[in-house]
Amino acid sequence: SQQGEEDPQALSIQEGENATMNCSYKTSINNLQWYRQNSGRGLVHLILIRSNEREKHSGRLRVTLDTSKKSSSLLITASRAADTASYFCATDGGFSGGYNKLIFGAGTRLAVHP
Amino acid sequence: NAGVTQTPKFQVLKTGQSMTLQCAQDMNHEYMSWYRQDPGMGLRLIHYSVGAGITDQGEVPNGYNVSRSTTEDFPLRLLSAAPSQTSVYFCASSPGQGRNYFGPGTRLTVL
Repeated sequence: SQQGEEDPQALSIQEGENATMNCSYKTSINNLQWYRQNSGRGLVHLILIRSNEREKHSGRLRVTLDTSKKSSSLLITASRAADTASYFCATDGGFSGGYNKLIFGAGTRLAVHP
Repeated sequence: NAGVTQTPKFQVLKTGQSMTLQCAQDMNHEYMSWYRQDPGMGLRLIHYSVGAGITDQGEVPNGYNVSRSTTEDFPLRLLSAAPSQTSVYFCASSPGQGRNYFGPGTRLTVL
């Protein structure tokens, strides 16, 4: 079973616009991560936010986390054609111990048009 | 650093055949894992390892075996391939709680 659900499933925008993707999850977590996957390639880690954090920034990325609603959002500002990819949220399911077994959502497909 | 490498990139098998997907990492990470990705879905955990000699099952372990004899290598064995195992397989490594580093994937088709 999948932990998270991303919304929307697909998003199409113009270059320069902002893109917002949402993720909901079901269990408690230690942290939540966002990954990007270009077509046919492996996943690339974008950002990690811990359960005691509410917001985090990295370059043009802004992630928020609301543990009371079990949801997170990823905002990409001033999007570029190169941002075209699928974006996945992944949670660790709240497992204790040193290793987080990632539980992925189905992803949001983002298309940025020049 | 090469990061996480996977071989082969593509593989076609007939039902009932067995094969091993190779995964290696050169970052000295303790944790390694195998995921499969089916069309329109996120990744699902097959097996993982928290160190040499220690493995455990993930969400979808049936039909797969793993072993971890060294820190660097974590092969995934398909015992008797079935069409339901047609998927893209990703290996990942991690230094611990936090980011995972993914390999480029192996695209497997079982006829």
